[in-house]
Amino acid sequence: GEDVEQSLFLSVREGDSSVINCTYTDSSSTYLYWYKQEPGAGLQLLTYIFSNMDMKQDQRLTVLLNKKDKHLSLRIADTQTGDSAIYFCAETSNTDKLIFGTGTRLQVFP
Amino acid sequence: NAGVTQTPKFQVLKTGQSMTLQCAQDMNHEYMSWYRQDPGMGLRLIHYSVGAGITDQGEVPNGYNVSRSTTEDFPLRLLSAAPSQTSVYFCASSTPSGNTIYFGEGSWLTVV
Repeated sequence: GEDVEQSLFLSVREGDSSVINCTYTDSSSTYLYWYKQEPGAGLQLLTYIFSNMDMKQDQRLTVLLNKKDKHLSLRIADTQTGDSAIYFCAETSNTDKLIFGTGTRLQVFP
Repeated sequence: NAGVTQTPKFQVLKTGQSMTLQCAQDMNHEYMSWYRQDPGMGLRLIHYSVGAGITDQGEVPNGYNVSRSTTEDFPLRLLSAAPSQTSVYFCASSTPSGNTIYFGEGSWLTVV
């Protein structure tokens, strides 16, 4: 079945760049997403990328997709303390089901 | 625009009690789904629906029922709550292409 994997923790210093990685197994993925969840809050869609793209940039966020290796990454430039949250990678294929990773907890320290 | 609305936001149940988590969307989306989020496990799909009158099971359907009598509403029912159902529940809706998926704010459920 489909599977999405992420590392559980990432710790970075304020002002540095953060890179959160994700791997997936479904070769028929059409869209890949990054969601942010702050403590006690719901999910916030950060960005998404269509599977025929290899990069998408939106202000401080850069998404890179290596479709051959089924690897997705989210780079946050100039990471701030407000970026501390759990980041979920997700993918959907033609079945319309959204499959999530376990989430990466990003901690930003001064 | 209300988007996806879930109620209640917080609920405490006793083991064996029943309850319904409500989910409504005003975007005329065909596809709706329910997920649960548990620590270290990410989001897991409980049930989903691709349109009114159609429902299907996800990864963890046991202990939950759903129905989709209208496009707007997709309630999730716990018939006999168990402590293992303590979790945060998210409802979502999207268009069939899946390029835009909207989530509710979550419902925090504790079963004691």
